[in-house]
Amino acid sequence: SYELTQPPSVSVSPGQTARITCSGDALPKKYAYWFQQKSGQAPVLVIYEDSKRPSGIPERFSGSRSGTMATLTISGAQVEDEGDYYCYSTDSSGNNEVFGGGTKLTVL
Amino acid sequence: EVRLVESGGGLVKPGGSLRLSCAASGFTFSDAWMSWVRQAPGKGLEWVGRIKSKTDGGTTYHAAPVKGRFTISRDDSKNTVYLQMNSLKIEDSAVYYCSRVGRGYWGQGTLVTVSS
Repeated sequence: SYELTQPPSVSVSPGQTARITCSGDALPKKYAYWFQQKSGQAPVLVIYEDSKRPSGIPERFSGSRSGTMATLTISGAQVEDEGDYYCYSTDSSGNNEVFGGGTKLTVL
Repeated sequence: EVRLVESGGGLVKPGGSLRLSCAASGFTFSDAWMSWVRQAPGKGLEWVGRIKSKTDGGTTYHAAPVKGRFTISRDDSKNTVYLQMNSLKIEDSAVYYCSRVGRGYWGQGTLVTVSS
């Protein structure tokens, strides 16, 4: 079955840039989405269709996609950005959805 | 305001059945493709399945681990999507969310515990 691969953890100091990658064979043809999840809460959409930011999401969050890799960038990461981040997309048929394994972001 | 409210979770024995419901409001439900996503304790998000809108055929897709055991359905007159879970296994224990994933709409989740 189709998989999206993320690093298990990323750690940065406050004010630094955090980059979280997501790789998948179908990404050249399918959009990537990014979700932030904090402990005990439902996921929150932070990037949709590769690089669009929903209203209310800070400008420091941005997304990009190149070939088989999508990247979530948090420019000037803040302590409140800590949490788990998941990429999401579909397989090449578009019928089956998939989440990456998740990346724990630590800002300290 | 968009709202998704799941219900129906609880404790069930292995081999048992449970039906989850998700009541939607704040958007045109009949046009929406709806998904179920689960999260086992301490684990990541796992897609369970999706149902298309009736105008798009109402087709359902289920993830491999639940195919043949779980069934997604919808009642547009009630703005509700369902997840019928049969032959439950211990590894099905999780918080189950209904979601319009690409729009960022999520419910608060309902906990399903499969244990003897």
